[in-house]
Amino acid sequence: DQQVKQNSPSLSVQEGRISILNCDYTNSMFDYFLWYKKYPAEGPTFLISISSIKDKNEDGRFTVFLNKSAKHLSLHIVPSQPGDSAVYFCAASGLTGNQFYFGTGTSLTVIP
Amino acid sequence: DAGVIQSPRHEVTEMGQEVTLRCKLISGHNSLFWYRQTMMRGLELLIYFNNNVPIDDSGMPEDRFSAKMPNASFSTLKIQPSEPRDSAVYFCASSLASGGNFGQFFGPGTRLTVL
Repeated sequence: DQQVKQNSPSLSVQEGRISILNCDYTNSMFDYFLWYKKYPAEGPTFLISISSIKDKNEDGRFTVFLNKSAKHLSLHIVPSQPGDSAVYFCAASGLTGNQFYFGTGTSLTVIP
Repeated sequence: DAGVIQSPRHEVTEMGQEVTLRCKLISGHNSLFWYRQTMMRGLELLIYFNNNVPIDDSGMPEDRFSAKMPNASFSTLKIQPSEPRDSAVYFCASSLASGGNFGQFFGPGTRLTVL
């Protein structure tokens, strides 16, 4: 049973526009949420995270928003660049351990 | 630091053969995770170790899968006998501390093809 879901397998965005990637989760006990970026033939790399006590975390062009009541988080990339083209995984973990639950990923294509 | 190292990068084998995947953690990290990536299920956690001790192996699909951590820096994932449905990319990842705010560092993965 998928505790973390990414319902959009792919997304295409024009360069310079905003990319919004979405993620839903089912377990209200999750305390941390993370986004990973994955290029072909490489392992996922950590991008940005947010604690459940916050509703927004920003790092340069990347902002993660958390809506706990809706059990929903999103990653905004502004402005999008061709180098952002990759698969993005969201992940969630609980406070007591370091086990992570990953979504199935969203493949982002930024069109020059 | 070279990061998490996995070997081999690619493995092609025939059904019924034994497969061993290897992983070297980042120095100083104390948690080790094995994942399998498939299109349908994304990144599935197979097993994770904390301080060389297996903590949760509920994701290991069958008894054909086994994982060991003989020392603090090295782990193996073995599939015996392998089957075509085991074909996937297998990642290991390591992290420094328990608690969810520390990201995991992934290796480049091993692409396994079982014919």
